[in-house]
Amino acid sequence: AQKITQTQPGMFVQEKEAVTLDCTYDTSDPSYGLFWYKQPSSGEMIFLIYQGSYDQQNATEGRYSLNFQKARKSANLVISASQLGDSAMYFCAMGNQAGTALIFGKGTTLSVSS
Amino acid sequence: DTGVSQNPRHKITKRGQNVTFRCDPISEHNRLYWYRQTLGQGPEFLTYFQNEAQLEKSRLLSDRFSAERPKGSFSTLEIQRTEQGDSAMYLCASSRGTAVISNQPQHFGDGTRLSIL
Repeated sequence: AQKITQTQPGMFVQEKEAVTLDCTYDTSDPSYGLFWYKQPSSGEMIFLIYQGSYDQQNATEGRYSLNFQKARKSANLVISASQLGDSAMYFCAMGNQAGTALIFGKGTTLSVSS
Repeated sequence: DTGVSQNPRHKITKRGQNVTFRCDPISEHNRLYWYRQTLGQGPEFLTYFQNEAQLEKSRLLSDRFSAERPKGSFSTLEIQRTEQGDSAMYLCASSRGTAVISNQPQHFGDGTRLSIL
């Protein structure tokens, strides 16, 4: 069965520092997609970045990059130059085999201090 | 670009009552999803529509739950005879795409928070 594991319940970082949020996944499907979402305290889920299993390069979107290590089945999110507005819950997710739903991890709470 | 809209934002009701939530997806998106999120957890998939067809339902979707998407536009999620365990945030998302493995991200609404007294 497909599974997403996020082992860090909470992470703390100071402004302007970089932070890595861990995500490991389990799937037997050779083709899959991995997503990261941000959920501020207000509740909306905001899409951050996508990585396809056959993509040759790690995905980047502005200050977000995805450290994709296929052999280790990890898809860590790296946020460079953290800002106070980055404080939120971050979820790693995988598209299910039918491509009809996302399977989410339990999330990591990121707190950025000044 | 108007995002996914969900109404109401909050719903408080007594146990045993029926409730209905509405989701208006992004207009050009043919796929629509419902998720449920409880405190401290990631969202859990409930059901999925491609246009007006409901193609997949999770085991979480008991027979008290029903979802519709008439004409492939907005969707409603109804919960009958609500129970304490139904208290959660109900999230709607939409995306475009027809491929089985789609790289199109799902865009989420702000959710409807349901509280059962």
